[in-house]
Amino acid sequence: QVLLVQSGAEVKKPGASVKVSCKASGYTFGDFYIHWVRQAPGEGPEWMGWIVPNSGVTNYAEKFQGWVTMTRDTSISTAYMELTSLTSDDTAIYFCARGSVTQGNDYWGQGTLVTVSS
Amino acid sequence: EVVLTQSPGTLSLSPGERATLSCRASQSVDSRYFAWHQQKPGQAPRLLIYGTSNRATGIPDRFSGGGSGTDFTLTISRLEPEDFVVYFCQQYGTSPLTFGGGTKVDIK
Repeated sequence: QVLLVQSGAEVKKPGASVKVSCKASGYTFGDFYIHWVRQAPGEGPEWMGWIVPNSGVTNYAEKFQGWVTMTRDTSISTAYMELTSLTSDDTAIYFCARGSVTQGNDYWGQGTLVTVSS
Repeated sequence: EVVLTQSPGTLSLSPGERATLSCRASQSVDSRYFAWHQQKPGQAPRLLIYGTSNRATGIPDRFSGGGSGTDFTLTISRLEPEDFVVYFCQQYGTSPLTFGGGTKVDIK
């Protein structure tokens, strides 16, 4: 079955960076985009961008351009999302999700809690 | 950016009742690229409906979606105990992808 397994929770200080991983299994990694979405406590999801696993081409939401980087390692079917210059406003659960042209975000990782606190 | 506004914010109903959730877009959305997700506490969202009216794999037929243009609905025909959670609408046809703020269905 399709599974997206993310790395564990992180606690970071303001100004630091965080890198979250998302390992895919149960399908051909290159056949679907990987999206990153975050959700602050009590709020709706916020789309951050996507990466095309085969080519590495990315598309970031304008809000995150310049401080998010999405990469991938096709040899281990894993996508990464790195966010720099963290502030307390970046405290959220970060999800990866598979992107299907027709079905949208059809499978989600379990989420990674990133807490930014001094 | 397509802004999605969900209503109501909270819907209080009893098990067995019918639930109708609304999502209004700030501009017309291609109905091929409109979805609903369900989110249980402490879990990731789960895709319920894609392409406005297609149920995702394993989703029971009490869930149905409809609408077009700027107005979309999710209907749960008879609420089961596990349905009392949060629902988000999403459009994925235009970048940036956007989500609604959510509707919480709680027990009356």
